[in-house]
Amino acid sequence: GENVEQHPSTLSVQEGDSAVIKCTYSDSASNYFPWYKQELGKRPQLIIDIRSNVGEKKDQRIAVTLNKTAKHFSLHITETQPEDSAVYFCAASPGANNLFFGTGTRLTVIP
Amino acid sequence: GAVVSQHPSWVICKSGTSVKIECRSLDFQATTMFWYRQFPKQSLMLMATSNEGSKATYEQGVEKDKFLINHASLTLSTLTVTSAHPEDSSFYICSAYPGGGYNEQFFGPGTRLTVL
Repeated sequence: GENVEQHPSTLSVQEGDSAVIKCTYSDSASNYFPWYKQELGKRPQLIIDIRSNVGEKKDQRIAVTLNKTAKHFSLHITETQPEDSAVYFCAASPGANNLFFGTGTRLTVIP
Repeated sequence: GAVVSQHPSWVICKSGTSVKIECRSLDFQATTMFWYRQFPKQSLMLMATSNEGSKATYEQGVEKDKFLINHASLTLSTLTVTSAHPEDSSFYICSAYPGGGYNEQFFGPGTRLTVL
């Protein structure tokens, strides 16, 4: 099955700085890569996603890049704010719409 | 739109009993529903994929006789944890996929199961 690795596991940044989280995947058939934000005890919330036919996608302060050749994709958050503090998960879908999640990154934005 | 509910939101049961968790898509029909398990401070792990009217497909290492999944309609899937034990205590989350060109799955709020 698909194996998704995610780094770093924890990340602390000063408010206003940028945060970058990186993921790699193993299955070349994966074609959909969403990113989720999860607060404690809550459901994952989709923040941005990208399909394999696109290299980069941006939505306000959030961007995702995908390198299919290297099988890695990254989340970039600019101008971080305290409310960005949460656990972030990447995921990859190798087909049949199922998702395999990375191990998560706990982001702390220091005011 | 695209709301998914789960019931119950939390449940405490004794070891050896069975627990049923319901997942409903409230305002759309879900061609596929997924069940995930999340242990504290860990990631979501896909347990199984269910399609309406057919048997669920379980991921490697998930006991199909212990985690019974029924997807009786396009808006309802159930997960029954049979003969639950303390190690089954976890956060169970379902998601529903509407098909029709959508990429996104819509997640339920999760069910916290505690087995004493």
